[in-house]
Amino acid sequence: NAGVTQTPKFQVLKTGQSMTLQCAQDMNHNSMYWYRQDPGMGLRLIYYSASEGTTDKGEVPNGYNVSRLNKREFSLRLESAAPSQTSVYFCASSRDRDGTAFFGQGTRLTVV
Amino acid sequence: QQQVKQSPQSLIVQKGGISIINCAYENTAFDYFPWYQQFPGKGPALLIAIRPDVSEKKEGRFTISFNKSAKQFSLHIMDSQPGDSATYFCAALTYNQGGKLIFGQGTELSVKP
Repeated sequence: NAGVTQTPKFQVLKTGQSMTLQCAQDMNHNSMYWYRQDPGMGLRLIYYSASEGTTDKGEVPNGYNVSRLNKREFSLRLESAAPSQTSVYFCASSRDRDGTAFFGQGTRLTVV
Repeated sequence: QQQVKQSPQSLIVQKGGISIINCAYENTAFDYFPWYQQFPGKGPALLIAIRPDVSEKKEGRFTISFNKSAKQFSLHIMDSQPGDSATYFCAALTYNQGGKLIFGQGTELSVKP
């Protein structure tokens, strides 16, 4: 039982490059989330998805897009990476909007 | 603008002491208030949670106190241990926004032996 799996674990991008962060959960959860973690800023919600086929903006959605491909997978795309997007990104899932979120191990992204 | 404000940013406590972390919120639509614990290199994990119709919840050495009128809640760690050294996040959830889960800024706790 893997829980929430994120790929890749580390990534270095050049400014302007694009990439997709992948996230998959095997707990049959309905809700999925993408957060970024920066020192002193805590965890900030980028996008979330309450169910397959729905996505909503969080606190800091600019510069990102998401896709809820199916119930298991929720990807985060950076179309044109900027140094301000250097961060640790976490994917999470929860059963049914109950606040019990399970997190992946994170993706450390550096944009140079 | 942070919807959930957490303090202090860092905290040093002696072994056996009480660690206290505070959070405040403005949005009265929040329905659920969990706390998460994060160790270095790991994702956060749920520690304890409370609903706004309850004033206190205790699980082992961890207690949440909730003051609905003041829109504040706090985490108390009794008999703090070096193994409790971690970053703690308060959070707030809105059910009618599809389970939108918002976090505070985090508190880095260090428990000295």
